[in-house]
Amino acid sequence: DIQMTQSPASLSASLEEIVTITCQASQNIGNWLAWYQQKPGKSPQLLIYGTTSLADGVPSRFSGSRSGTQYSLKISRLQVEDIGIYYCQQASSTPYTFGAGTKLELK
Amino acid sequence: QIQLVQSGPELKKPGESVKISCKASGYTFTDYAMHWVKQAPGKGLKWMGWINTYTGKPTYADDFKGRFVFSLEASASTANLQISNLKNEDTATYFCARDGVYYGLLGGWGQGVMVTVSS
Repeated sequence: DIQMTQSPASLSASLEEIVTITCQASQNIGNWLAWYQQKPGKSPQLLIYGTTSLADGVPSRFSGSRSGTQYSLKISRLQVEDIGIYYCQQASSTPYTFGAGTKLELK
Repeated sequence: QIQLVQSGPELKKPGESVKISCKASGYTFTDYAMHWVKQAPGKGLKWMGWINTYTGKPTYADDFKGRFVFSLEASASTANLQISNLKNEDTATYFCARDGVYYGLLGGWGQGVMVTVSS
C-alpha cells in the first residue's frame, strides 16, 4: 500500500499568514493527489485535485504543488473560515490512502 | 447540484448488523462509482472500498473484507453499506463519497452516519 506521510500534525497560524502543509508519498503517484478540508462535525470537502487543480468554488488563496513525491498545499492568506483539518489522499492505486491529517488552528 | 443524503445514526450491540444508505441526486447515478470511507472518533479517514454503480461490482480494501457489504438499489439511486457481526471497533462515522473527474477522487460526500457499537 502507498503510505502518505503528512506534516505537520497540527499548526497554529495568524490571520493573513501563509500556511503550508505537506504530504510525502512512499512511491511515485504522479499527479493523482487530492486535498480535502474537514470542518468540525462536517464531512470532508474536496479542495484540490490532480495536485494543482482547484475544485469548484474553492478560493484562489488555496494552491497545490509538487516536487517529486512531495506534495504541498498552500493557503496564501489564512482566513477564519479556513480553520479545520486538512487531509491529502492519493488516487494512484488502490487502496486509496489518506494522510493522517493536519489540524489548522488560529493563533 | 450533487447531493448525497445518508440515513440516520445507529446504536447497535456487538454481534448485531447495521445497514446504512446513501441516496444520490443531481446526477446520473450509474455514471459515477461510489466509495465508502470510515472515520473513527477523533481519528482520520480510511478508505473502505468502492462499488461500480453500473455493474454493481464491489471492491473492498483488505481491512474491510468479510463483514462489510456494498450494495445498490440503482432504481432508487441508492448505495448501501451493511456491516455484520458488529464489533466495538466499528464505532465510527461512515461516509459515502462519489467519484470525481477521475477514479478515486472523492468529489462529493454524504453527511456521514455515526454508528455506535456498545453493549
